[in-house]
Amino acid sequence: QQQVKQSPQSLIVQKGGISIINCAYENTAFDYFPWYQQFPGKGPALLIAIRPDVSEKKEGRFTISFNKSAKQFSLHIMDSQPGDSATYFCAARMMYGGSRLTFGEGTQLTVNP
Amino acid sequence: NAGVTQTPKFQVLKTGQSMTLQCAQDMNHNSMYWYRQDPGMGLRLIYYSASEGTTDKGEVPNGYNVSRLNKREFSLRLESAAPSQTSVYFCASSESVNYGYTFGSGTRLTVV
Repeated sequence: QQQVKQSPQSLIVQKGGISIINCAYENTAFDYFPWYQQFPGKGPALLIAIRPDVSEKKEGRFTISFNKSAKQFSLHIMDSQPGDSATYFCAARMMYGGSRLTFGEGTQLTVNP
Repeated sequence: NAGVTQTPKFQVLKTGQSMTLQCAQDMNHNSMYWYRQDPGMGLRLIYYSASEGTTDKGEVPNGYNVSRLNKREFSLRLESAAPSQTSVYFCASSESVNYGYTFGSGTRLTVV
């Protein structure tokens, strides 16, 4: 059973547009929500992360929006660039148990020039 | 460069063969993890080691064993490989609850 649901599975955006990826979770014991970016042939790399006590976090062109009551969070990529083309994973960490991360299914983002 | 090193990068096994995937980190991280990545399923946790000397099952442990050899090294063993274990395997490590994971570059395993 997938504890973190991610959508869409794939996304095509024009250069300069906004990319939006959504995730939803059920377990209220999650206390940390990172996003990872993965390029082909590479391991995932931490992009940005948020804790549930804040509603938004921005780092450059990347913003996480967090809605604790709805148990949803999303990644917004402003002014999307072809170099942003990658697979993005949302994740959630359990409050207890070795800092294990549960990942969403992934979104393959393509930014057309 | 500091990071997580996985070997081998590619491997083809016949059904029933065994092999060990190696992982080492040089960041003095306490926790280490093994994930498998399959299309449309994200990354699923196989086993993890919260600290040296401890290991625990993750979401999909069947068919695998692990060894935390020391603080740096965490190996994953397939005793009798099956085609269902064809996947990309990632090792990761983390310092503490305030930091994200650092992933290795992965091992692409094919079982025929």
